Amino acid sequence: DGGITQSPKYLFRKEGQNVTLSCEQNLNHDAMYWYRQDPGQGLRLIYYSQIVNDFQKGDIAEGYSVSREKKESFPLTVTSAQKNPTAFYLCASSIDRDGGVEQYFGPGTRLTVT
Amino acid sequence: SQQGEEDPQALSIQEGENATMNCSYKTSINNLQWYRQNSGRGLVHLILIRSNEREKHSGRLRVTLDTSKKSSSLLITASRAADTASYFCATARSGNTPLVFGKGTRLSVIA
Repeated sequence: DGGITQSPKYLFRKEGQNVTLSCEQNLNHDAMYWYRQDPGQGLRLIYYSQIVNDFQKGDIAEGYSVSREKKESFPLTVTSAQKNPTAFYLCASSIDRDGGVEQYFGPGTRLTVT
Repeated sequence: SQQGEEDPQALSIQEGENATMNCSYKTSINNLQWYRQNSGRGLVHLILIRSNEREKHSGRLRVTLDTSKKSSSLLITASRAADTASYFCATARSGNTPLVFGKGTRLSVIA
């Protein structure tokens, strides 16, 4: 049963705490991505990694950090420096198809920081 | 930055009717994709159209692309209540760059 898993589905944290969101894929995809989605909004790219041990900042990387030590895993840490961390976080991986990159998404983690 | 802008923001139709959603973008692209998101879930890829293509079909979905107008449309024919979801367009400037998503169209299909 291949796919992308994100855990947990819901996460609650106190302000000032760092929190790490898990993303695992068994699709053998090279590239992985983290997006943030706010209510009624589209997806904004936080970080992406096209290969193991390498990653690039997206449009809203401030206050976030990632690592890519294994092909299957791309964890996202939301640090206390992120001013508005409460959001829905989506992880994706991608494969080249039809001359373009097709993304596969995980089910998401809803983070609430109070 | 969000390059795609979907229109309308929300659409409500009766079951059996066709639903048309539009997407406009700003810069040149390699391909444009449409995704679907059920409430509180991840996105699901629907269809990809390359910049040298003008129309593509997949089941009840029809996508058009007009690169001169920097716009695309997604048509869902004979809609069903199960089509109720948000639909996003996403563009890629080259074959392996990250996708840039629009804000989406919320489609409600009433049975």
